Amino acid sequence: AQSVTQLGSHVSVSEGALVLLRCNYSSSVPPYLFWYVQYPNQGLQLLLKYTSAATLVKGINGFEAEFKKSETSFHLTKPSAHMSDAAEYFCAVSDPGGGADGLTFGKGTHLIIQP
Amino acid sequence: DAGVTQSPTHLIKTRGQQVTLRCSPKSGHDTVSWYQQALGQGPQFIFQYYEEEERQRGNFPDRFSGHQFPNYSSELNVNALLLGDSALYLCASSFDMKTQYFGPGTRLLVL
Repeated sequence: AQSVTQLGSHVSVSEGALVLLRCNYSSSVPPYLFWYVQYPNQGLQLLLKYTSAATLVKGINGFEAEFKKSETSFHLTKPSAHMSDAAEYFCAVSDPGGGADGLTFGKGTHLIIQP
Repeated sequence: DAGVTQSPTHLIKTRGQQVTLRCSPKSGHDTVSWYQQALGQGPQFIFQYYEEEERQRGNFPDRFSGHQFPNYSSELNVNALLLGDSALYLCASSFDMKTQYFGPGTRLLVL
């Protein structure tokens, strides 16, 4: 069974500072990995995805994430936080083996941007 | 290009009632998945439809059922509503089974 752990239910950074949101996964096979962002009262928007190509993945809005198999991690980073980045961020994993799996999500990290 | 759309946006029901939620996938997508997101939690996978059949199911009771139509749109039905069914219900569509794109969700409140 797959699982996702997001360390820190809330992360607070100053505007212009580095954003680091942590995600660790557990999977029996090399998974596909995703980061989604959710703004208040909205659905989920895909930020970026890892599907067994390059281990460093660039996404929208200046975010990127690095797949580290040895650490079973897929942490999300952004060099300089903007006020508009304040939102809920979800890491998710799917098993590419079966090809038809639903996503397994972490509990989410609420990103707070301090002015 | 329209993204994933869901209707209605909000719904209030009472315990024991039945509800139907609707989803239209992104153009070109043929697979629809449904998720339940309780307040303060991550989404949980309910089931996935492909070629008008349920392909995979998460850990949800039989009160949750669905349907996919020939135009790939989908419905989620929940019978005998419980207070605990109050949540945001998200629909996601995909084509290559790698990437799911989500709709805005339907917020269901059960009183």
